[in-house]
Amino acid sequence: QQQVKQSPQSLIVQKGGISIINCAYENTAFDYFPWYQQFPGKGPALLIAIRPDVSEKKEGRFTISFNKSAKQFSLHIMDSQPGDSATYFCAASMNSGGYQKVTFGTGTKLQVIP
Amino acid sequence: SAVISQKPSRDICQRGTSLTIQCQVDSQVTMMFWYRQQPGQSLTLIATANQGSEATYESGFVIDKFPISRPNLTFSTLTVSNLSPEDSSIYLCSVARSGEQFFGPGTRLTVL
Repeated sequence: QQQVKQSPQSLIVQKGGISIINCAYENTAFDYFPWYQQFPGKGPALLIAIRPDVSEKKEGRFTISFNKSAKQFSLHIMDSQPGDSATYFCAASMNSGGYQKVTFGTGTKLQVIP
Repeated sequence: SAVISQKPSRDICQRGTSLTIQCQVDSQVTMMFWYRQQPGQSLTLIATANQGSEATYESGFVIDKFPISRPNLTFSTLTVSNLSPEDSSIYLCSVARSGEQFFGPGTRLTVL
């Protein structure tokens, strides 16, 4: 059962453009929504995260928009750079047996072309 | 953050054999997690390992196939047993710290 749906599967953006990745979740028990960035041959690295009591969070060129009523959230990468080319995973987590259990989206492979 | 190392970084194994993956963390953590990432796919949690207790396995994963050890608060091993080509994946160790999850670099396993 896929509890976090992510789109698009792949994305090609021109350098300087805006990259937008969308996610939707089903379980309202999720209370934390991180985004991970993964380069080939590396493990995922936490990029930015948001809690559902906030509608937007910005860190540098990366912004999360969160719509609690629609159960949707998105990642915007402003002024996209070739170095941003990576696979991005959205995730949702909730407390389960004393720890935050994380469910990952299916991933978006981003390619930023010069 | 957390500094996590895994050994080996990659391996090629024959069908029917086993591979043990080691995970070392730079400081003590209560919980460690093992994930599988099949080629081009997302991350799937295999099990959660607490020091001094049996690992807790997710649906679809069993201890006989994926035995886990957690001898102390900085180390864990995952063994993938009786390998088949379907086990070809990246296996990732992860820890939780201050509410965040951090991942190791992964072990890329290819089964022939």
